[in-house]
Amino acid sequence: EPEVTQTPSHQVTQMGQEVILRCVPISNHLYFYWYRQILGQKVEFLVSFYNNEISEKSEIFDDQFSVERPDGSNFTLKIRSTKLEDSAMYFCASSRGLERGSGANVLTFGAGSRLTVL
Amino acid sequence: GDSVTQMEGPVTLSEEAFLTINCTYTATGYPSLFWYVQYPGEGLQLLLKATKADDKGSNKGFEATYRKETTSFHLEKGSVQVSDSAVYFCALSELGNEKLTFGTGTRLTIIP
Repeated sequence: EPEVTQTPSHQVTQMGQEVILRCVPISNHLYFYWYRQILGQKVEFLVSFYNNEISEKSEIFDDQFSVERPDGSNFTLKIRSTKLEDSAMYFCASSRGLERGSGANVLTFGAGSRLTVL
Repeated sequence: GDSVTQMEGPVTLSEEAFLTINCTYTATGYPSLFWYVQYPGEGLQLLLKATKADDKGSNKGFEATYRKETTSFHLEKGSVQVSDSAVYFCALSELGNEKLTFGTGTRLTIIP
């Protein structure tokens, strides 16, 4: 079964360092997403990406964050200068888009990348 | 804005017990409702969904019914197995919107 793969599974970094989290979405999916979950808290939406541009972003996704689809297969999340509060599990997801009829959007998620900022 | 509230965990049950994980939601429109499951070391996987009132989503013995009158989507299973041990997330998306809004997740542990 097709899956979304994420690397690294765990990254430890010093505060102020740049981090890039990588994702390979399912190949025929058109919509890409990043979510994060701080330990013990809700899974939060960060950003959605379609047709090579951001389609929606949350208030969490400030100027320190950026996304890119550099080569048609990878989808990356960059945090320019990490803060302690960026420590979280980051989930990448992809989807075909809204289902005909139901209008529901079914996302397939990766296993997550755990980021620890010291 | 939209929100999802689900039962606080962790939940520990014996094998073959009946499971209910409560989920209620607040939405401005007419949402689709989902349960996602995360097994240890894996990503979030769609368990079941329902897209309109009174719809019942079902998969792997789990069921949830979309109750508009009580704004609820409780997850149930009649007889749980050790392999059902995982974290369960209730989520919604508004009609025509890509974004999912999640609950906090409920960790379920089944003991033999």
